[in-house]
Amino acid sequence: DTGVSQDPRHKITKRGQNVTFRCDPISEHNRLYWYRQTLGQGPEFLTYFQNEAQLEKSRLLSDRFSAERPKGSFSTLEIQRTEQGDSAMYLCASSADSPSGDYTFGSGTRLTVV
Amino acid sequence: GNSVTQMEGPVTLSEEAFLTINCTYTATGYPSLFWYVQYPGEGLQLLLKATKADDKGSNKGFEATYRKETTSFHLEKGSVQVSDSAVYFCSPGGGSARQLTFGSGTQLTVLP
Repeated sequence: DTGVSQDPRHKITKRGQNVTFRCDPISEHNRLYWYRQTLGQGPEFLTYFQNEAQLEKSRLLSDRFSAERPKGSFSTLEIQRTEQGDSAMYLCASSADSPSGDYTFGSGTRLTVV
Repeated sequence: GNSVTQMEGPVTLSEEAFLTINCTYTATGYPSLFWYVQYPGEGLQLLLKATKADDKGSNKGFEATYRKETTSFHLEKGSVQVSDSAVYFCSPGGGSARQLTFGSGTQLTVLP
């Protein structure tokens, strides 16, 4: 397994456009997380899946954001009607279903809204 | 939910100096504690972890001990290298919260 993969690495979009990011977790991991990180800050939790069920969503996840994990494997994060404030690094992580399970992060998708 | 307070950065050290980055946390339940490192433009990499009180995590010369009585997990390294320059994040995870919780991180710069 090559770890957590995120695609694309970079995305530049015009304000008002929709964007979708993909995350492929480690195959044995049934938990998947999305985080957003702005410059100079730590990652902020957005949402969490256990298998295909979305169990928790942060208040940061506005109505313009939606995440799916349809078959309990890869996940997508869509942002509709992007705004300049959405510019950030979007990080995906996965972990096993264990209290002390390691969380493995992908390299992130850098979104720039112009 | 969980929260973390980390030593403010940036921290600048000379090569071979001793490093301490302070971290204190609040959490419900019995979290595991993690240190992650982030290099420019990259995601977070697990540096070390400890899963219960008094456990010591160690990796690449870095160490941190899970101190439940002081709710701390300070990161130390006896002799830093230029290649250690990065941002370091402390995080409680698990316990009653599934996800990791991060502070702003500590930027470390090591000068030759």
